[in-house]
Amino acid sequence: DAKTTQPTSMDCAEGRAANLPCNHSTISGNEYVYWYRQIHSQGPQYIIHGLKNNETNEMASLIITEDRKSSTLILPHATLRDTAVYYCIVRVANSGYALNFGKGTSLLVTP
Amino acid sequence: NAGVMQNPRHLVRRRGQEARLRCSPMKGHSHVYWYRQLPEEGLKFMVYLQKENIIDESGMPKERFSAEFPKEGPSILRIQQVVRGDSAAYFCASSPEALGETQYFGPGTRLLVL
Repeated sequence: DAKTTQPTSMDCAEGRAANLPCNHSTISGNEYVYWYRQIHSQGPQYIIHGLKNNETNEMASLIITEDRKSSTLILPHATLRDTAVYYCIVRVANSGYALNFGKGTSLLVTP
Repeated sequence: NAGVMQNPRHLVRRRGQEARLRCSPMKGHSHVYWYRQLPEEGLKFMVYLQKENIIDESGMPKERFSAEFPKEGPSILRIQQVVRGDSAAYFCASSPEALGETQYFGPGTRLLVL
């Protein structure tokens, strides 16, 4: 699976959009971009995933660049409950194997 | 549809005892994954199982650790003769049979070895 690079930490004001970047310059054609988050002391929570088109669900939007070398997770209206560590993971779909959690980005949403 | 269930949520053991962690996947899911998160570290993959089969145990310590996913009942992660270094949060995830890519995680079991 391709390696990803994320900033260590970010801050965001409550009610504003949180834009979390991820670089995955070695991604291959059959690898998806997944985002998970882990709120303190809880299990990881699936957020969204995509291959090359932008994706949106009730939690977030995923913007993938045309060359697929980077992506951005957007939380449109961050709340205090969005404070968590966010993980960008690249992997082949239907491989049934491990998710490689790196260090992620620690997002702090402030009042 | 209930999510992934893990029990116990907290487990305290003395050195040398055995720890048994249980995971019930989401309804309709037949793929189970176990991860370990040591204090202040990220999640690390341990083992991937399908019903009655271990598919990938490349992340499992070679000694004292074992996992099973029987035809009936929950998946079990068993740690024999626990040591203090086994203290960690153990998370289970499951995925549906038809689509293997999205894993849904349980709340975890926090093991403390005294």
